[in-house]
Amino acid sequence: GNSVTQMEGPVTLSEEAFLTINCTYTATGYPSLFWYVQYPGEGLQLLLKATKADDKGSNKGFEATYRKETTSFHLEKGSVQVSDSAVYFCALTLLNAGNMLTFGGGTRLMVKP
Amino acid sequence: DGGITQSPKYLFRKEGQNVTLSCEQNLNHDAMYWYRQDPGQGLRLIYYSQIVNDFQKGDIAEGYSVSREKKESFPLTVTSAQKNPTAFYLCASSMNRDRLANQPQHFGDGTRLSIL
Repeated sequence: GNSVTQMEGPVTLSEEAFLTINCTYTATGYPSLFWYVQYPGEGLQLLLKATKADDKGSNKGFEATYRKETTSFHLEKGSVQVSDSAVYFCALTLLNAGNMLTFGGGTRLMVKP
Repeated sequence: DGGITQSPKYLFRKEGQNVTLSCEQNLNHDAMYWYRQDPGQGLRLIYYSQIVNDFQKGDIAEGYSVSREKKESFPLTVTSAQKNPTAFYLCASSMNRDRLANQPQHFGDGTRLSIL
């Protein structure tokens, strides 16, 4: 079956530190990959996406590159802010599954001033 | 603005009571979804609907029911058969799979359900 594995949190960083949240996947086929962010008490917001190998998704200083050879989609940001504190979810969907999402377990990021 | 509206934001259920969570979208999306999120956990799919008057069970449908009488609305009922209903419930929608594949899901702000 399809699955998404994320690094366990919480990840605690100081402001302006470099962020990496690892995400790997297994899928039967060619998935599209997404990162969602959930701020406290809110729903999920789409952060970025990539639909084919070597695509790079980017938004708000966050980036992730679709690596087919390593089946990975790691999230990175060069300099985090306190306002980036949230839970981050990696997810995939397959062409033959419509828009059904398979989610990772989420990674909580805490940024300290 | 277009979006997904969930109500109420907080809901309390008594023992043996059914409660209904509302989800409305004005994005003209065909597909809608309900997820359950427990503290510190990921999302689990309860029910989904790809088109009006049709819906399918997700991974944890027991103790829940849905209806899809209108494109814009996908209410979720948490029945008394759901013995552990305390959780954060999220509704989402997306474009129909036949039009555009691999479109992201858009989420509401959630309803937090607790037991009295």
